Amino acid sequence: RKEVEQDPGPFNVPEGATVAFNCTYSNSASQSFFWYRQDCRKEPKLLMSVYSSGNEDGRFTAQLNRASQYISLLIRDSKLSDSATYLCVVNNYSGYSTLTFGKGTMLLVSP
Amino acid sequence: SAVISQKPSRDICQRGTSLTIQCQVDSQVTMMFWYRQQPGQSLTLIATANQGSEATYESGFVIDKFPISRPNLTFSTLTVSNMSPEDSSIYLCSARFTSSGANVLTFGAGSRLTVL
Repeated sequence: RKEVEQDPGPFNVPEGATVAFNCTYSNSASQSFFWYRQDCRKEPKLLMSVYSSGNEDGRFTAQLNRASQYISLLIRDSKLSDSATYLCVVNNYSGYSTLTFGKGTMLLVSP
Repeated sequence: SAVISQKPSRDICQRGTSLTIQCQVDSQVTMMFWYRQQPGQSLTLIATANQGSEATYESGFVIDKFPISRPNLTFSTLTVSNMSPEDSSIYLCSARFTSSGANVLTFGAGSRLTVL
């Protein structure tokens, strides 16, 4: 099983749609989780951290399910500008932090 | 927010040559990280650049192929040596900064390398 696994997509959705991505991780001792966004030919940028209790930032909701070892990202009322690749990132700590990136899920929002 | 500048932003090189990528951070950081992102692949950590000591390389990456310098707390270089087409990739410099109490990994814009 890959350390961090994501559906590569692309997810094609119309403007205004709600879309959700999942990401599974293999290390049950993983400590923190993040969603990064990467636009085409740009560097990844932090979208949001994922907290155990779940967290929301505007149209974006992130959730963590430790029992099933997955995190999710929900985007409501999709905008054209949401088109990007969304990277799942898992932090493991064993003396030092190690970040493991998923390959990303591509989202295409169309008019 | 912190700014990380990389150069060159892109380059096309002949096989067998070497290229050095520079990374400048606008504030002092203890560790800087070099990642590679090959087409369709996830970001892979090459090494951690520590100021005042040798870089720490991840499995599959060696100093002879990817020598790193870290002369001070705001600057680092990564050299891709004796390049082959398989080295064609985006190379990203990064560092951790504290933002709103959280430790955030921030990336430079990347250096897109094509080896012919």
